Amino acid sequence: EAGVVQSPRYKIIEKKQPVAFWCNPISGHNTLYWYRQNLGQGPELLIRYENEEAVDDSQLPKDRFSAERLKGVDSTLKIQPAELGDSAVYLCASSLDQLANFNEQFFGPGTRLTVL
Amino acid sequence: GNSVTQMEGPVTLSEEAFLTINCTYTATGYPSLFWYVQYPGEGLQLLLKATKADDKGSNKGFEATYRKETTSFHLEKGSVQVSDSAVYFCALSDLTNAGKSTFGDGTTLTVKP
Repeated sequence: EAGVVQSPRYKIIEKKQPVAFWCNPISGHNTLYWYRQNLGQGPELLIRYENEEAVDDSQLPKDRFSAERLKGVDSTLKIQPAELGDSAVYLCASSLDQLANFNEQFFGPGTRLTVL
Repeated sequence: GNSVTQMEGPVTLSEEAFLTINCTYTATGYPSLFWYVQYPGEGLQLLLKATKADDKGSNKGFEATYRKETTSFHLEKGSVQVSDSAVYFCALSDLTNAGKSTFGDGTTLTVKP
């Protein structure tokens, strides 16, 4: 079974430029998460989807961050414009659904973003 | 809100030593508890979990017991190997709080031969 796929694995951009990350969750997983992981810290949730609906985006900085999951499968996270403080690893995770398996999540390898 | 506090690292041990990584939590509901491991260059992967008080999760020689009275979920292994070198994250998922997950800051373990 294929795991969670993310691309790109690495991205270096200059500040004020836009950037987008893509995630394809495990087949059949209804719940998709985007996390940001700063160096030396644990993942922090940015947004959670149940199918195509964003059910928790309270931690998403909406002035510059946006996300979509149009068909309830793969998802894109965008930053526009990027700031120096956005340098981090962006993780995508999926789970079968909110209640199944007590919310065990499967993570992708992440995208390491460096903003210069 | 919910929170997870992990023992600060880094932790350096010799092969075959005993490992304990402390984890305590604060939650308003009745959370499920998890340990995730992140090997260099890879994503987080579930190591073990426990879903109710007094449950013991175990996998690959690692164990952790859900202690509601002390709000703890300490990770232990009797004899570590070099291949256990990784970052370990304690996490909780609170199904009474819309399934929100909260992660600790991670503990880096290095095992030397």
